[in-house]
Amino acid sequence: DTAVSQTPKYLVTQMGNDKSIKCEQNLGHDTMYWYKQDSKKFLKIMFSYNNKELIINETVPNRFSPKSPDKAHLNLHINSLELGDSAVYFCASSRDRVGYTFGSGTRLTVV
Amino acid sequence: AQSVAQPEDQVNVAEGNPLTVKCTYSVSGNPYLFWYVQYPNRGLQFLLKYITGDNLVKGSYGFEAEFNKSQTSFHLKKPSALVSDSALYFCAVSIGGATNKLIFGTGTLLAVQP
Repeated sequence: DTAVSQTPKYLVTQMGNDKSIKCEQNLGHDTMYWYKQDSKKFLKIMFSYNNKELIINETVPNRFSPKSPDKAHLNLHINSLELGDSAVYFCASSRDRVGYTFGSGTRLTVV
Repeated sequence: AQSVAQPEDQVNVAEGNPLTVKCTYSVSGNPYLFWYVQYPNRGLQFLLKYITGDNLVKGSYGFEAEFNKSQTSFHLKKPSALVSDSALYFCAVSIGGATNKLIFGTGTLLAVQP
């Protein structure tokens, strides 16, 4: 059983399109996150939700909108995709600060 | 500002030799510290963590790390490197509070030569 699963694994799309990445965790964690890993491999947090409530929004463009229908899911919707959005996006979940589990990542390529 | 530093972009070591990947942190309060490894085109795999207690923490694949509060460091070590250890290693700190977010260092590429 995959603890944190993201779909799709790869996403290639044209500039201007709207796309979504889905994330689900079956660990019973209360908090879920989206991280972005850029071309230099830097990892930066984008959003955090705790029990479906937005906790962190780290200066991410408005084109990015997270949605948490329940505490096991945190989806990421991106409008009007730009070339600079190309990156690997990681979903993660945690219970408090004790342990963080990451998904396998979604490689987004905007052409 | 809360931060994590990995001063080396790359560490080269010969197979069988000991390895150290350095990490220092700057946070207020009690840090929870983590090491993750990322193999090419793969996700982040948890290696080990320090929460409290013994300063020497043992983790997966023979890795260990030593928490040093006075030097604000959490260096990753392994007594004998394997070629298969070659990967990108990230140190991270959880700062707690309302967010519990994990702040990552910039990563260190470990290259183990046969």
